[in-house]
Amino acid sequence: KNQVEQSPQSLIILEGKNCTLQCNYTVSPFSNLRWYKQDTGRGPVSLTIMTFSENTKSNGRYTATLDADTKQSSLHITASQLSDSASYICVVSDSSASKIIFGSGTRLSIRP
Amino acid sequence: NAGVTQTPKFQVLKTGQSMTLQCAQDMNHNSMYWYRQDPGMGLRLIYYSASEGTTDKGEVPNGYNVSRLNKREFSLRLESAAPSQTSVYFCASSVDRGPDEQYFGPGTRLTVT
Repeated sequence: KNQVEQSPQSLIILEGKNCTLQCNYTVSPFSNLRWYKQDTGRGPVSLTIMTFSENTKSNGRYTATLDADTKQSSLHITASQLSDSASYICVVSDSSASKIIFGSGTRLSIRP
Repeated sequence: NAGVTQTPKFQVLKTGQSMTLQCAQDMNHNSMYWYRQDPGMGLRLIYYSASEGTTDKGEVPNGYNVSRLNKREFSLRLESAAPSQTSVYFCASSVDRGPDEQYFGPGTRLTVT
């Protein structure tokens, strides 16, 4: 069964600290993996996308990594800011594009 | 350029009532989607339209119908609302069906009592 699992479910860190969110997937055959940021009361917005051949992608203070062999991805946030408080959703597509599986997200709270 | 817009933002229905959620995009995208988001669960696809004139069922289509009115607009109809349909509904669009980035609307929070 195609699944996308994220951990932790929620995380609280102090402003300025770094953090890493995890995503494990069983979607096969794999096409690409996206990380989305969803602010409270808003729709998700894409942060990064990685295909099978890419193992790292950055977008400002956000760096995503992908290990296609172990089917794991991580999203690292550097020098967190209050505006990083949001849910982060991992989304995996299969190569036929018939399946786009959303993880349930990690809710990140940044405390001043 | 408004992106993806949805109306209404909030709605309360009684069990058995019907309503239509409206969605429009101004990015000239071919594909449009309707999702529901429930606490503790990932977004689940209700219906999608790969291109104007076509619609297909997603993961959770029961109790819903859709209409792709034209290239810009994609509506979702609840014919007889049930409490299990209490959720936040998101419309999204992408250039084409597949791994392209999806652009999401702000969502409609629906409560069925």
